[in-house]
Amino acid sequence: QQPVQSPQAVILREGEDAVINCSSSKALYSVHWYRQKHGEAPVFLMILLKGGEQMRHEKISASFNEKKQQSSLYLTASQLSYSGTYFCGTGGGLSGANNLFFGTGTRLTVIP
Amino acid sequence: KAGVTQTPRYLIKTRGQQVTLSCSPISGHRSVSWYQQTPGQGLQFLFEYFSETQRNKGNFPGRFSGRQFSNSRSEMNVSTLELGDSALYLCASSLGGDTFRTQYFGPGTRLTVL
Repeated sequence: QQPVQSPQAVILREGEDAVINCSSSKALYSVHWYRQKHGEAPVFLMILLKGGEQMRHEKISASFNEKKQQSSLYLTASQLSYSGTYFCGTGGGLSGANNLFFGTGTRLTVIP
Repeated sequence: KAGVTQTPRYLIKTRGQQVTLSCSPISGHRSVSWYQQTPGQGLQFLFEYFSETQRNKGNFPGRFSGRQFSNSRSEMNVSTLELGDSALYLCASSLGGDTFRTQYFGPGTRLTVL
């Protein structure tokens, strides 16, 4: 049930863009994106629901393709503060998303 | 509003011992989920409590148990500790209910088993 994230790691220069993908072998009802900085707890970025709209958090946006069972996170004009590990979590089903299954994470490093 | 708090922040135990971790959710949140984070396995769901009842359970052995109190505070217990239980244990709280809700994570308890 664990979703697969790609790439595993990416290095960007400030101002560059990146895409992080999250794929599941099971039907997705919701996808949750979190960012975790070293030594800190994961911080919620956004949630995408089946049939919902593309979401945005500052210059980070995400889409949800139900047919492909995939979500993508788009980081535009990256800033140093975007560095961290990004996790996608997929919901356990229609009963709620309080038992998320997380991908192994994508480590994003933004350099000056 | 105060965030999710976890105590203790760091813990060192030896194999065979047991440990209890505590999580206080954000005020008004009724759901508490527990996760184990390790470098090799990433973030793995342990269980979720809502209104004092275990609502969901991950794929962990029975040595891992939990409970939730009437004030929504939750405890997690691990008995007969093994070296592989060394991890960061995170709890996350949310409003709960039947619809999808954002989860807010606490800072975690780092458990080291020697």
